[in-house]
Amino acid sequence: GNSVTQMEGPVTLSEEAFLTINCTYTATGYPSLFWYVQYPGEGLQLLLKATKADDKGSNKGFEATYRKETTSFHLEKGSVQVSDSAVYFCALSDPGTGRRALTFGSGTRLQVQP
Amino acid sequence: DAEITQSPRHKITETGRQVTLACHQTWNHNNMFWYRQDLGHGLRLIHYSYGVQDTNKGEVSDGYSVSRSNTEDLPLTLESAASSQTSVYFCASSESTSRYEQYFGPGTRLTVT
Repeated sequence: GNSVTQMEGPVTLSEEAFLTINCTYTATGYPSLFWYVQYPGEGLQLLLKATKADDKGSNKGFEATYRKETTSFHLEKGSVQVSDSAVYFCALSDPGTGRRALTFGSGTRLQVQP
Repeated sequence: DAEITQSPRHKITETGRQVTLACHQTWNHNNMFWYRQDLGHGLRLIHYSYGVQDTNKGEVSDGYSVSRSNTEDLPLTLESAASSQTSVYFCASSESTSRYEQYFGPGTRLTVT
């Protein structure tokens, strides 16, 4: 079956540091990949997405590249801010299975200190 | 603007009671989903629907049921609440194919005492 593995958190960084959150996946077909962000007390918001190999998703300074050869979709940001503190979820959908629900990783909490 | 809403936002109930969580979306999406979020597990799929009168079980469906009588609503019912069902519940919707992202509601925090 499909699965998503994320690095354990929490990740604690100082403001303006470089961020990488690792995400690898297992899927039977050609999945679409997503990063969602959850701020405290809120629902999940789509941060970025990529629907085919070598696509780069980007939004709000965050980037992730769909790497089929390494089955990865790592999230990066060059300079984090305190306002980026949140939980980040990597997820996939796999249309080849007929399943339209998302498969989520366990989430990575990011704490940015001033 | 289109949106997805959940009610109540917080609920405390006793073991054995029936509880219904509401989900309403104005995106006119065919697909609707219920997930639960627990620490260390990410989000796990409870039930989903691909259209009116269609409902399907997800990975953690025991003790839950849903019904879909119109496009906008997918209520989640806990038939007899158990302490193991204390969690945060999220409703989501998406367009017809799975290539599209899902839009999430704000969540319902349910505590079963």
